[in-house]
Amino acid sequence: NAGVTQTPKFRVLKTGQSMTLLCAQDMNHEYMYWYRQDPGMGLRLIHYSVGEGTTAKGEVPDGYNVSRLKKQNFLLGLESAAPSQTSVYFCASSRSGSPLGGTEAFFGQGTRLTVV
Amino acid sequence: SQKIEQNSEALNIQEGKTATLTCNYTNYSPAYLQWYRQDPGRGPVFLLLIRENEKEKRKERLKVTFDTTLKQSLFHITASQPADSATYLCAPHRNGGSQGNLIFGKGTKLSVKP
Repeated sequence: NAGVTQTPKFRVLKTGQSMTLLCAQDMNHEYMYWYRQDPGMGLRLIHYSVGEGTTAKGEVPDGYNVSRLKKQNFLLGLESAAPSQTSVYFCASSRSGSPLGGTEAFFGQGTRLTVV
Repeated sequence: SQKIEQNSEALNIQEGKTATLTCNYTNYSPAYLQWYRQDPGRGPVFLLLIRENEKEKRKERLKVTFDTTLKQSLFHITASQPADSATYLCAPHRNGGSQGNLIFGKGTKLSVKP
């Protein structure tokens, strides 16, 4: 049972470079999320998806783009990395967002990104 | 604007005591609220969910209450152990717009001393 897998685990980028973080889940979940976590700021939602082909902005979407072309994958892109995007990025998935059930979110192990 | 506040950044208690963590929210009425545990270097792990029509939920040594009048949830760990040391996050469901808007409080770091 892999659950939620993030690739890569660590990355160092130079300012202005681009990269894509991959999140894959094998639980057939509809909902997927990308967060960043910074000291003193907690987990902040970047973008999320409520199903294949859909995406929506979260709390801090600027500087990031996402795509959900396949149900099991959620990609987070940085087009032109900035030092302010140095952070730990977490992906998560859940079966649904309904109060009737299935809202438990499963998280990946995180990606530590440094932009120099 | 909608806000989530966990009003203790850190909580230090002695082993065997009950730890009580607080989650307050303003300007909305969540249909449910979740609690997660996060260990250093790891992603959060789901612990409990409580719905708006439930006053209390228990799971082993964990108890969660939900007071929709006070707009507050309390998270209790009874007979605490050093292994309970971690950061605990609350996530009240943010209604309005998409149900996928899963937002967390900043968390409370709990340290249980032997």
